Amino acid sequence: QSALTQPASVSGSPGQSITISCTGTSSDVGGYNFVSWYQQHPGKAPKLVIFEVSNRPSGISNRFSGSKSGNTASLTISGLQAEDEADYYCSSYTSSSRVFGGGTKLTVL
Amino acid sequence: QVQLQESGPGLVRPSQTLSLTCTVSGGSISSGGFYWSWIRQHPGKGLEWIGYIYYSGNTYYNPSLRSRLTISVDTSKNQFSLRLNSVTAADTAVYFCAREADGASFDIWGQGTMVTVSS
Repeated sequence: QSALTQPASVSGSPGQSITISCTGTSSDVGGYNFVSWYQQHPGKAPKLVIFEVSNRPSGISNRFSGSKSGNTASLTISGLQAEDEADYYCSSYTSSSRVFGGGTKLTVL
Repeated sequence: QVQLQESGPGLVRPSQTLSLTCTVSGGSISSGGFYWSWIRQHPGKGLEWIGYIYYSGNTYYNPSLRSRLTISVDTSKNQFSLRLNSVTAADTAVYFCAREADGASFDIWGQGTMVTVSS
């Protein structure tokens, strides 16, 4: 199973919005509404920020939102804050496994 | 709240077996509804799903690791474990245990444990 495709890096200034894409196939992202997103700060475990494409877990800021179109899912972070600087990973269900994206480094300028 | 904690050797010799245990606290593995998972992250790289186990003992493995992998559960100790045989340097990684919940999302993670394969 190939990893999902994410941009290596994105950046934005405080207060701006950024979007991270996650491209798969009809066997993963496009085939199920089971895409999740994770935030990982250096040396820490990943933290779930979006599940089932667009749902936020309890305690996650509404500045985080998710969507999907075809084989591409997206994570949008609005009102960027310094604390949002981290690596972000998408993940998808497949019928035979679970697959992650390669990760995107978000830099807050 | 539910917490997960990995434990096991930080150094494994090549060709030997990597063994890790994840202890679950604040909740029971036997309560059902969740899959108990292992995920790893090679140094400076992305995440790789290894596999999961249900409290009943049903398992599901990453096809690329299946031939070397065993995941087991001990409900009496509220623990689940990973055994990876015939390790090489390519198995050097941070290993996380995690709980898989709704929609195949990993909602709770252990802190991770670094395992180095080296002679």
